[in-house]
Amino acid sequence: GQSLEQPSEVTAVEGAIVQINCTYQTSGFYGLSWYQQHDGGAPTFLSYNGLDGLEETGRFSSFLSRSDSYGYLLLQELQMKDSASYFCAYILTGGGNKLTFGTGTQLKVEL
Amino acid sequence: NAGVTQTPKFQVLKTGQSMTLQCAQDMNHNSMYWYRQDPGMGLRLIYYSASEGTTDKGEVPNGYNVSRLNKREFSLRLESAAPSQTSVYFCASTEGMTANYGYTFGSGTRLTVV
Repeated sequence: GQSLEQPSEVTAVEGAIVQINCTYQTSGFYGLSWYQQHDGGAPTFLSYNGLDGLEETGRFSSFLSRSDSYGYLLLQELQMKDSASYFCAYILTGGGNKLTFGTGTQLKVEL
Repeated sequence: NAGVTQTPKFQVLKTGQSMTLQCAQDMNHNSMYWYRQDPGMGLRLIYYSASEGTTDKGEVPNGYNVSRLNKREFSLRLESAAPSQTSVYFCASTEGMTANYGYTFGSGTRLTVV
């Protein structure tokens, strides 16, 4: 099947570094995206990896390895406001312009 | 810029009633989408419109219809609401075809069917 799997929950302390993993099974996709969603809010776009490797945007970095069918989102210098759900997502090649989301990871940042 | 605007923000329907969820974007995006999100779950695509004049089914289209009224507006209609359609509905839009530009989401419509 074609799906994106993520851990359901991750807990970390303020100021630490946390990695949220995303594994997938697909025959082809354009790239891996990451979205953040606070409780009751709209998802917001964080990053996109079209090619293998690391993309950095401030405290957030995202990584993709197509050979390993794996990606991750890295959050550094965690802040309480980073407590949210994080989703990886992709568009399959040849499948129409449809963004498919992973199962989501709820990140809890503690003092 | 308003981005993506959804109306209404909250709605309670009785089983069998119909309603239309409205969505408008002011970013001149070609593609628009309707997703639903159930508690503790990810977003599932209901319908999408890759460009003005086209619509296609997503993962969970049963019980819904859509209309791409023009480039700005994309509405979602529930003809006969069922309790299983209780959910949060998000509209989104994007410019690119490969997700590299990111999707912009509206603030959602919280629908309860009793």
